Amino acid sequence: QVQLVESGGGVVQPGGSLRLSCAASGFTFRSYGMHWVRQAPGKGLEWVAVIWYDGSNKYYADSVKGRFTISRDNSKNTLYLQMNSLRVEDTAVFYCAREGSPDGYKSFDYWGQGTLVTVSS
Amino acid sequence: DIQVTQSPSSLSASIGDRVTITCRASQSVNKYLNWYQQQPGKAPKLLIYGASSLQNGVPSRFSGSGSGTDFTLTISSLQPEDFATYCCQQTYSTPPTFGQGTKVEIK
Repeated sequence: QVQLVESGGGVVQPGGSLRLSCAASGFTFRSYGMHWVRQAPGKGLEWVAVIWYDGSNKYYADSVKGRFTISRDNSKNTLYLQMNSLRVEDTAVFYCAREGSPDGYKSFDYWGQGTLVTVSS
Repeated sequence: DIQVTQSPSSLSASIGDRVTITCRASQSVNKYLNWYQQQPGKAPKLLIYGASSLQNGVPSRFSGSGSGTDFTLTISSLQPEDFATYCCQQTYSTPPTFGQGTKVEIK
């Protein structure tokens, strides 16, 4: 069965850095685009970044562009999110999600359980 | 960016009720519209993709319709496990954007 397990969250001071990981299993990881999505406390879902199946293309939300870097290691079935220059407003639960495309329509068909990032002094 | 607006933001309903949630996109997204369910403290779960296709394992009381800019999620007969927040998402263009969510509460 498909499993996505995030790790690496925690408490960090403003301006600090954190690297999130998402370990994938139960599917051919190298064949799927992967996303990071976050949810601030009590708020809705916000897309953060996407990386294509082979890592050839990456796109970011304007709110994180230049500060966050998405990457993947297909030999380790792992997705990463390097977060630098963190701000208080980055506080959120971060989810990794697999991009499915049944019938050609993209969706996020599997999600991890999430990891909490708290940016506070 | 394409904006996605849901209504209502919350609703109260009883077991067995028919519930309808709407989602409107700021421009046409064809049928690139998905619906997710999120229970408190849990990750979102895909219910409907491509506006009207039921994800594997999702009960048939859930259905989706629409194309272009106006979409609907319908729960034909509300069950206890359906009390949750529902969210739409467009994947027609990058960035993919989510609606603000509709919280379905027990009346």
